[in-house]
Amino acid sequence: GEDVEQSLFLSVREGDSSVINCTYTDSSSTYLYWYKQEPGAGLQLLTYIFSNMDMKQDQRLTVLLNKKDKHLSLRIADTQTGDSAIYFCRNDYKLSFGAGTTVTVRA
Amino acid sequence: NAGVTQTPKFQVLKTGQSMTLQCAQDMNHEYMSWYRQDPGMGLRLIHYSVGAGITDQGEVPNGYNVSRSTTEDFPLRLLSAAPSQTSVYFCASSWGTGIDTQYFGPGTRLTVL
Repeated sequence: GEDVEQSLFLSVREGDSSVINCTYTDSSSTYLYWYKQEPGAGLQLLTYIFSNMDMKQDQRLTVLLNKKDKHLSLRIADTQTGDSAIYFCRNDYKLSFGAGTTVTVRA
Repeated sequence: NAGVTQTPKFQVLKTGQSMTLQCAQDMNHEYMSWYRQDPGMGLRLIHYSVGAGITDQGEVPNGYNVSRSTTEDFPLRLLSAAPSQTSVYFCASSWGTGIDTQYFGPGTRLTVL
């Protein structure tokens, strides 16, 4: 199976919160990352969390890590049209990326 | 700094043709890698390099060759293109493989007919 798995699509209304989920199989990662890919562009690191933390907040972004369930989530508060993109979670084992979640923000 | 540059941006090949995708970075990063991105499959690692003269295979290396003669350049060669290699290819670089940010190039969209 895949090292990381994500749901493929998420549609959210502008101003609402978005929650993007990721599950991973390997527990030896030191860091887990979220990357953002805007249309026609490469990936950019959005945020990351150290594996011994369970939460990290960075402005509108909140990362939650449940090591027991091997579950990582990214919450975007007050979602804006500029948040429409593909979001990838990544571990630092095998440098695997999930398939990416396409977030569409509707007015 | 130009960051990570890739050429060409678009390419159409016929089955069996060969070509080289170019990747260069000016940040003196040791680590460089090539990914392909296909719908519903995320990014898959093709080859990577931890420094000049050192390369290794990723998840999907078959049909691709790489070399790393300088720190700056990491070309990806398709020896005999196949339709299954139709994809968007991204090159990335970083200081290392851990917390260091990976910087991605803009991508090369390759179509093999």
